[in-house]
Amino acid sequence: RKEVEQDPGPFNVPEGATVAFNCTYSNSASQSFFWYRQDCRKEPKLLMSVYSSGNEDGRFTAQLNRASQYISLLIRDSKLSDSATYLCVVNNAGNKLVFGAGTILRVKS
Amino acid sequence: DAGVIQSPRHEVTEMGQEVTLRCKPISGHDYLFWYRQTMMRGLELLIYFNNNVPIDDSGMPEDRFSAKMPNASFSTLKIQPSEPRDSAVYFCASSLDPAPGGETQYFGPGTRLLVL
Repeated sequence: RKEVEQDPGPFNVPEGATVAFNCTYSNSASQSFFWYRQDCRKEPKLLMSVYSSGNEDGRFTAQLNRASQYISLLIRDSKLSDSATYLCVVNNAGNKLVFGAGTILRVKS
Repeated sequence: DAGVIQSPRHEVTEMGQEVTLRCKPISGHDYLFWYRQTMMRGLELLIYFNNNVPIDDSGMPEDRFSAKMPNASFSTLKIQPSEPRDSAVYFCASSLDPAPGGETQYFGPGTRLLVL
């Protein structure tokens, strides 16, 4: 079983739609959680950290459920520019980030 | 700041040749990470350094891979001899302190390696 699992998609949605991605992780000792975004043929970039209480950054909302070892990302009012691969990332004990395989989002006009 | 700098951006070589990838981290960052990304395996951590010292190299695939960090502003990842299965995008990343809840990692643009 992979340490971090994501639905690969692709998710094809129209502009303005709301879309949600889910991620599960296997290590109950995981200490911090992130969503990274990777555009085609580019490097990954931090989108947002994920806190236990849930957090929001504009149109993006992240949630963490430690009991279920589950992380989610909600994107409201999707834009064409949101098209990318979204990587669920977990930091286990130590300084190592473990990346999920990513979920592809395509927003179409 | 210029961000993490990697060179070359593209490398095409023949099986058996030595390949050297280079990375300049963001000035002042204490941690440097080397990753490899493929379609099959996703993004994998190969090795990371703290203050120029290798801390964890458990992700290095085999002895053909080696990494060095002679100073705070430069690191290399070497593959010798290279094999077609080494074809991938190799990313370097740096951070101030990636401890849980700490600073994020900043990735370089990557080196696309193709071994024929």
